Amino acid sequence: AQTVTQSQPEMSVQEAETVTLSCTYDTSENNYYLFWYKQPPSRQMILVIRQEAYKQQNATENRFSVNFQKAAKSFSLKISDSQLGDTAMYFCAFMSYSGGSNYKLTFGKGTLLTVNP
Amino acid sequence: SQTIHQWPATLVQPVGSPLSLECTVEGTSNPNLYWYRQAAGRGLQLLFYSVGIGQISSEVPQNLSASRPQDRQFILSSKKLLLSDSGFYLCAWILRDRGTRSGYTFGSGTRLTVV
Repeated sequence: AQTVTQSQPEMSVQEAETVTLSCTYDTSENNYYLFWYKQPPSRQMILVIRQEAYKQQNATENRFSVNFQKAAKSFSLKISDSQLGDTAMYFCAFMSYSGGSNYKLTFGKGTLLTVNP
Repeated sequence: SQTIHQWPATLVQPVGSPLSLECTVEGTSNPNLYWYRQAAGRGLQLLFYSVGIGQISSEVPQNLSASRPQDRQFILSSKKLLLSDSGFYLCAWILRDRGTRSGYTFGSGTRLTVV
């Protein structure tokens, strides 16, 4: 079974600064995706960024980027130029897409990020 | 466009009462459907998933059950609620093969409080 570990329960950052959220995972699968989801106070789950394991290039979406280290099974999220609206719970998630995987998402316990003005 | 509806948004139920939460998807067909529970604002735990009508897989033994009577309808039920069933319930869907790289689309959730 896959496991996802987020070792930082809470973090805070000043507005306009950069912050990195950590995530490690454990799997024996070769074919998988990794995701970061954001859950603001409204509790709506929002996809922030995704990474395909077979791609060496790190994914980037505007101010959000990842550092994907496949051998180390590490998948960190960097938020640049932090904004007040980035305040949310952030979840790292793993999905195997091997045959018969049923595409279940396994989540970490989350990191509560607070952006201070 | 593809949308997912989940209701009710908030529910307060007494211990021992029945439960029915509904989730419907529009604009797609034959999706995988999932029920997750989030307790105390922390991680999400997969409860049930379905790959087709009438096909239900349970991840965690518990007081809940799920059904999929139609292709785009997923129902979470309980005959008698326990205090420990309180939490935030999320429904999600994904299209196999074509849509997996996009991850899940989540409903807006149901906040259940058992009193």
